[in-house]
Amino acid sequence: GAVVSQHPSWVICKSGTSVKIECRSLDFQATTMFWYRQFPKQSLMLMATSNEGSKATYEQGVEKDKFLINHASLTLSTLTVTSAHPEDSSFYICSAREVLGTDTQYFGPGTRLTVL
Amino acid sequence: QKEVEQNSGPLSVPEGAIASLNCTYSDRGSQSFFWYRQYSGKSPELIMSIYSNGDKEDGRFTAQLNKASQYVSLLIRDSQPSDSATYLCAGYSGAGSYQLTFGKGTKLSVIP
Repeated sequence: GAVVSQHPSWVICKSGTSVKIECRSLDFQATTMFWYRQFPKQSLMLMATSNEGSKATYEQGVEKDKFLINHASLTLSTLTVTSAHPEDSSFYICSAREVLGTDTQYFGPGTRLTVL
Repeated sequence: QKEVEQNSGPLSVPEGAIASLNCTYSDRGSQSFFWYRQYSGKSPELIMSIYSNGDKEDGRFTAQLNKASQYVSLLIRDSQPSDSATYLCAGYSGAGSYQLTFGKGTKLSVIP
């Protein structure tokens, strides 16, 4: 089956630092990847849509200069949280859409970010 | 605005019973629907996808789609305590838009 990995699975950082999260599709090519954020007991919130080789499309209210997304290949997208603050602490989840087949999105295991 | 509505629950069923999860959607152009299961603290896991009217069965799970009524459901037969999770219904139009619209999820508890 389609597998999506994320690294790291959890990270703790100090306020003001930047954190990079990687999302990889391991056994399929993904033209499009998505980044979500989920706060405790809340729904998934789409942050941005990432297309290979082009700029990401951010949802309303998501600061593109704070959440930098790069999708340099068909199997890798990265999310960098710049100048992180405690309010950025959340569960960040990526998903990847298969290029061929059923348009199904497969989710990575998520990255739990804690900003002190 | 595209919306997917789910009853937030919690839905409690005894072990061995059938759990019925329901979802309605507002966008008549939606073509593809997915059910994801999310355990607490984990990311969503794909359970079923359905694209055509009717039923689709996979093991203990049956997805049902009725495009005329804009209704999607998921039946879980012989519910097990390990099925206790939040179930997310999602859909998209597929017409060049690959962003999933998620419901808020239904929390299912299977009581031993």
